[in-house]
Amino acid sequence: AQSVSQHNHHVILSEAASLELGCNYSYGGTVNLFWYVQYPGQHLQLLLKYFSGDPLVKGIKGFEAEFIKSKFSFNLRKPSVQWSDTAEYFCAAGMDSSYKLIFGSGTRLLVRP
Amino acid sequence: GAGVSQSPSNKVTEKGKDVELRCDPISGHTALYWYRQSLGQGLEFLIYFQGNSAPDKSGLPSDRFSAERTGGSVSTLTIQRTQQEDSAVYLCASSFLGQTSTDTQYFGPGTRLTVL
Repeated sequence: AQSVSQHNHHVILSEAASLELGCNYSYGGTVNLFWYVQYPGQHLQLLLKYFSGDPLVKGIKGFEAEFIKSKFSFNLRKPSVQWSDTAEYFCAAGMDSSYKLIFGSGTRLLVRP
Repeated sequence: GAGVSQSPSNKVTEKGKDVELRCDPISGHTALYWYRQSLGQGLEFLIYFQGNSAPDKSGLPSDRFSAERTGGSVSTLTIQRTQQEDSAVYLCASSFLGQTSTDTQYFGPGTRLTVL
């Protein structure tokens, strides 16, 4: 079955630390990949997306993600986190030409000032 | 412009009662989606509308769940005879065309449903 896995459920970092959140998907065909973020009390919003081309994609607020096809992964990174990055992060995938998004279970990030 | 809105923001109901959850998509968006987020889980797809039609109801967990969309705009998700396992946050999203996942989905704030 098609699925998206996020192995880190809770991450706690100090400000200025580097961040990497793992995301793996299980599907052998074409995928569109997304990271969404939900800040406390706010809507889920798109952080970045990958459809094709350069596997390193840059999003808002200094976030980037790298698509590694051989590893079925789309990890999210940020070189130096800020307290304001405290949020829940969701990885999602759209398989082939489907409109449907399959979400991972999310990672709660807490950044200590 | 205005984003996706949902009402109510919170709903507490007793087991066995019916509830209606409303979604107002972004104006002009033809595609509308309902998802459910249970505690500690990711978002689970429920149903997809293209205009007023629902070509994909595959995620509805039981026949107690139904949804409709009118005028190509507002959608209502109805849960009949609610059960405690229905407690979750129900999220609505809309996108311009919705024919593939390359069409960005914009999410509403959700309705938190608690069934006592």
